[in-house]
Amino acid sequence: AQKVTQAQTEISVVEKEDVTLDCVYETRDTTYYLFWYKQPPSGELVFLIRRNSFDEQNEISGRYSWNFQKSTSSFNFTITASQVVDSAVYFCALDAGGTSYGKLTFGQGTILTVHP
Amino acid sequence: DVKVTQSSRYLVKRTGEKVFLECVQDMDHENMFWYRQDPGLGLRLIYFSYDVKMKEKGDIPEGYSVSREKKERFSLILESASTNQTSMYLCASSLFGLAISYEQYFGPGTRLTVT
Repeated sequence: AQKVTQAQTEISVVEKEDVTLDCVYETRDTTYYLFWYKQPPSGELVFLIRRNSFDEQNEISGRYSWNFQKSTSSFNFTITASQVVDSAVYFCALDAGGTSYGKLTFGQGTILTVHP
Repeated sequence: DVKVTQSSRYLVKRTGEKVFLECVQDMDHENMFWYRQDPGLGLRLIYFSYDVKMKEKGDIPEGYSVSREKKERFSLILESASTNQTSMYLCASSLFGLAISYEQYFGPGTRLTVT
């Protein structure tokens, strides 16, 4: 069985602070994919990143960076110099495949509020 | 750009009514999904479909059924709506992957209230 845990239910920061959203996953599969999605107040989930289990390189995209560590089964997401527009619900998700890929297991989500 | 549309943003129905939620995608994706989103529970998969007329149960299929007669359209049916089905319903689509997991594209959601 697959499981994704986002222990932080809500985080509140002031603009320009750095913030890290934690994601811990469980799977017995050796090949799997991890995702992060953002859900702004409009409601539509937006894809941010996909990482497969064989690629442990950290990734940076502008103010966003991701730290994947197989040893601790974690895939954490950091926003540097946060902005009000970063306020959203962020979901981490896992696809451990099986006969085919496609079914995602989502974490509970972290509500991020960035205050001006 | 991938576009996933859902028939209604807000819907209010009475207990016992039959409810249809429609989802359409325009990118020729094989996979389509229905989730419900509840506070503190994240997104939970109700059903998904990897081809026309094909469907598989997700984690919480009880009380729901689905229909996929055309590739671009995936319908979620609540045969007899109950108050515990009050929720946000999200539709998504993605390419089919045997050896790779593709990102899912989501619609704006339908907030269903059953009274």
